[in-house]
Amino acid sequence: GESVGLHLPTLSVQEGDNSIINCAYSNSASDYFIWYKQESGKGPQFIIDIRSNMDKRQGQRVTVLLNKTVKHLSLQIAATQPGDSAVYFCAEMVQGGSEKLVFGKGTKLTVNP
Amino acid sequence: EAQVTQNPRYLITVTGKKLTVTCSQNMNHEYMSWYRQDPGLGLRQIYYSMNVEVTDKGDVPEGYKVSRKEKRNFPLILESPSPNQTSLYFCASSSFGQGSYEQYFGPGTRLTVT
Repeated sequence: GESVGLHLPTLSVQEGDNSIINCAYSNSASDYFIWYKQESGKGPQFIIDIRSNMDKRQGQRVTVLLNKTVKHLSLQIAATQPGDSAVYFCAEMVQGGSEKLVFGKGTKLTVNP
Repeated sequence: EAQVTQNPRYLITVTGKKLTVTCSQNMNHEYMSWYRQDPGLGLRQIYYSMNVEVTDKGDVPEGYKVSRKEKRNFPLILESPSPNQTSLYFCASSSFGQGSYEQYFGPGTRLTVT
């Protein structure tokens, strides 16, 4: 989920395929993580969260995987649909402190029909 | 309907003219926060508030002020706006209940400072 300059990382998939969006987080003390989806012209929308005492969590058509060893988070979307086209952000937090969410720079997912 | 509202949605102003962007939530959330979103930089936190009369700086607080006199409202104040504050601004709120910090975001305010 790290960008270079002004360009977001992009992922283009065919409708019906599975998508995997990756995110490298920065703080080894972070113990709570969230994935957000942002559609054009809208505010970010919560998708799924995971705590550091878990390495996998599943929702409806989405799965988040957490690898604390390499500080890596991924979001898997099953049977991707055109409505999934959006920018996806990961966010990290250290609980019990400021409760501040730190966002990654996002990945743009395009689903081709 | 549970929501976060922001006003105005769009604003064009001139350098130095004080402005306020309002934010209101109807979910009785303790936590509220302001972010700015710029191309290539993602969402960066400006200020946050963990409850009434409790506010703290985020990552990019310079040039901004906030207040939290009531639980539902968290206005963002730009005392003397400058062109580098041209950005898309989001207000968010969340509850600490049940261990989830899911933040609900407002629709955004697009600010242009000339």
